[in-house]
Formats: sequence, structure tokens, C-alpha cells
Amino acid sequence: DSGVTQTPKHLITATGQRVTLRCSPRSGDLSVYWYQQSLDQGLQFLIQYYNGEERAKGNILERFSAQQFPDLHSELNLSSLELGDSALYFCASSATLAGGMYQETQYFGPGTRLLVL
Amino acid sequence: ELKVEQNPLFLSMQEGKNYTIYCNYSTTSDRLYWYRQDPGKSLESLFVLLSNGAVKQEGRLMASLDTKARLSTLHITAAVHDLSATYFCAVDEKNRIIQGAQKLVFGQGTRLTINP
Repeated sequence: DSGVTQTPKHLITATGQRVTLRCSPRSGDLSVYWYQQSLDQGLQFLIQYYNGEERAKGNILERFSAQQFPDLHSELNLSSLELGDSALYFCASSATLAGGMYQETQYFGPGTRLLVL
Repeated sequence: ELKVEQNPLFLSMQEGKNYTIYCNYSTTSDRLYWYRQDPGKSLESLFVLLSNGAVKQEGRLMASLDTKARLSTLHITAAVHDLSATYFCAVDEKNRIIQGAQKLVFGQGTRLTINP
């Protein structure tokens, strides 16, 4: 158990809908990362937040957005869902020292499996 | 754009044998990670390699990093069935402008099957 929690574990929805995935980082970790894992695209970095601010952006679609709240939990919002958005979505967290100059390894949550029908 | 390639992508081996998984990356980085993923599960951190020549060992697994060759290896010694999993390497695409930014680019993964 990494200490990172994600809800829900499974989500089934229809095309065109909107869903929200939630992540709570390990205690004390300031950085949260979102990843998408699918058979055709592999494991892809989406976005990073550090202490409430966006820090790095990957291949995140415009239909997707994320935020990190003052209590450090994060949400990933996926809208206008398409069949191709079906994937496993992971959240990870890491401790970032003061000044953001150094990160330890990223610890991954159990993931949310999204199925778009 | 940073690209990370692993080989082999599939590896079937017998218990007791030794083998090596290779991870090549295309641009300069001094931070490389190895993760393990069991089917349907999350990623488990195995090693963090932070400098040229770094070598780390845990049980039957040993990882090394050659930043000049842009190559990391994960060596498995005397494999046992419990090591069957998919192994990923990931390289930090350094952002020298934004403090605290970390973007990991993952390889395709190596699916390792160890047969009794």
C-alpha cells in the first residue's frame, strides 16, 4: 500500500458524459501527478500539481482538466467522454522539498478504471 | 522530445536463469526510475538512479545507470516465479525553467514471465 488513495476504483459511463476522479496523496506529499494507462498508448503523463499550482503538463487533452485543493487532494475531470478515453487512470504523489528543487520517487495509487460505452 | 525504449518487450524465462532488461532514452537526463506492475495492479517503485554509474540492488534485482550511453539495465539473477510482472523504466524529462516540475516519460514495459 503506497499511501495514495483514489476513488472510485471503477467507473462505467457513456460517451459524451463527464466524470471526476479523486486522489488523496500520501501524508505530507505536496506534488500530485496524473497518468493514463491504455493498451495502445502505454503509460502517459497528464499533469502535475505542486501545492495547488500546476507545475508540468503532458499529453492532456483539452477536454480534461485537473486541480489540487488546499488540503492537497486532487481531482481529474474528464468531459465529453469518448470510447478512446477508456483506460486506467493513476494518481501519484511525491515529496518535494522546500523550493521545489528535488523530488523523491513518485508513489502510485491503485488507479481508477474507466470504461466508456 | 524525450523517448524511452525498453527491450525486450516480452521475456519468458525459466526459474534459476539470469537475464537483463534494457532501457534506452533519447535525451540527457540524470534521473531514472524502475517500477514493477502486477496484472491489474498499480505501479510499485523499485529503484531510483540519480547519477552516472549508479548501481542499486534489492534481492535478485540489480539496476544500473550509464548517463553517457543513455542506458539503464535491470538485471535479474536466478529468477523465481514471484518476479513475474511487467517492469517499466521511466526517465525524468527535466524542466530547467520551472522549479519542482517533474515529467516522467515511461518505456513501453517489459512483460516478464518466469516459468517453474
